Amino acid sequence: SSELTQDPAVSVALGQTVRITCQGDSLRNYYANWYQQKPGQAPVLVIYAKDIRPSGIPDRFSGSRSGNTASLTITGAQAEDEADYYCYSRDGTDKNYLFGTGTKVTVL
Amino acid sequence: QVQLVESGGGVVQPGKSLRLSCAASGFSFRSHGMHWVRQAPGKGLEWVAVIWYDGSKKYYADSVKGRFTISRDNSENTLYLQMNSLRAEDTAVYYCSRWGADIDFDYWGQGTLVTVSS
Repeated sequence: SSELTQDPAVSVALGQTVRITCQGDSLRNYYANWYQQKPGQAPVLVIYAKDIRPSGIPDRFSGSRSGNTASLTITGAQAEDEADYYCYSRDGTDKNYLFGTGTKVTVL
Repeated sequence: QVQLVESGGGVVQPGKSLRLSCAASGFSFRSHGMHWVRQAPGKGLEWVAVIWYDGSKKYYADSVKGRFTISRDNSENTLYLQMNSLRAEDTAVYYCSRWGADIDFDYWGQGTLVTVSS
């Protein structure tokens, strides 16, 4: 299938660890990018390729992949991590670009 | 630093046209492919269109194919999206995003809101 499916919402206690997953056939061949989006703001890249953080992204964010599932883990979640998170993957062509359905993360 | 600034959004009636612009600075615009991505109110991200660094290739989402046209002016460091035959379901914030070196969608603009309503 050419879709990327995420859980709609997850919650995590302050300082605890949360894993956000993204499922799709394209992930068997391509790594996922992960984007954080806070209300009223543009998405921000937090993880790309295998597990690379752009400059300025805290090291509590990490990425992984297994089979058709990619994961974003926030280790020691902070209040400022409360946001929507979207995965992204290529679909194997240059003609279509897939975003996940999005996960709202609430930090309790 | 990389900066992308969209403009041109507004309220438009169904069936009408609108052209969005994205002014790029802080990097070699002519060396990078560029995307448009939109987000309907309360919804997720939807890829709209991509253009190669030199304008040689352009691809569109099925939802806009035949109605939207992506283009660029490398001499002006500007990306465009011509939107024709607009529908209510095209209402969204439209973002331009850079196709980085080995990183799709590495930088994003702040977005411009398009509202299609009579």
